[in-house]
Amino acid sequence: DPKIIQKPKYLVAVTGSEKILICEQYLGHNAMYWYRQSAKKPLEFMFSYSYQKLMDNQTASSRFQPQSSKKNHLDLQITALKPDDSATYFCASSQAGNYAEQFFGPGTRLTVL
Amino acid sequence: SQWGEENLQALSIQEGEDVTMNCSYKTYTTVVHWYRQDSGRGPALIILIRSNEREKRSGRLRATLDTSSQSSSLSITAAQCEDTAVYFCATASSNMGYKLTFGTGTSLLVDP
Repeated sequence: DPKIIQKPKYLVAVTGSEKILICEQYLGHNAMYWYRQSAKKPLEFMFSYSYQKLMDNQTASSRFQPQSSKKNHLDLQITALKPDDSATYFCASSQAGNYAEQFFGPGTRLTVL
Repeated sequence: SQWGEENLQALSIQEGEDVTMNCSYKTYTTVVHWYRQDSGRGPALIILIRSNEREKRSGRLRATLDTSSQSSSLSITAAQCEDTAVYFCATASSNMGYKLTFGTGTSLLVDP
């Protein structure tokens, strides 16, 4: 059974629209993260949450908003989508604390037309 | 080697050969993670090395870490076709959370 679920696997959106990427983890972890991977750049850290609290935000744009409704959920809302937002978005989780191994989900591939 | 603004490195070897991938990092760290990513999947941790270890082995994998030169390497002994993947090194920082900074990656192709 998959331990980190990301939905949907593929997502196509039009410029200017809004989408929510879903992430659920069943590893019992207290920390969750979002990373982005595009053709132009290496895997980039976006956000980290620990015990449902935002710990770090490395995204320059407020169009990206993480939402943690439950301990094991960390969704990513993206508003006013742009073609440059096209990328694969990975959710990850770990035990809270320094240097813990991060486990990655399968990713959501977003294409903005 | 991988890091910074470099393009994704690519290596192609024959099954049974040994291969070493290098990684240079810019910011101080005491831990280097090595991940592999198979096509269409998320990264998976394969080996983690700390500054007090200098070398770590896991099966056919061997990682080294030199904090003085801020470099790490990953070696695969007797590579097999299933080792074909993209390999990333990542450093960790704990400032206001636990963030991984990934290198640009090395694409390894192992031919039968």
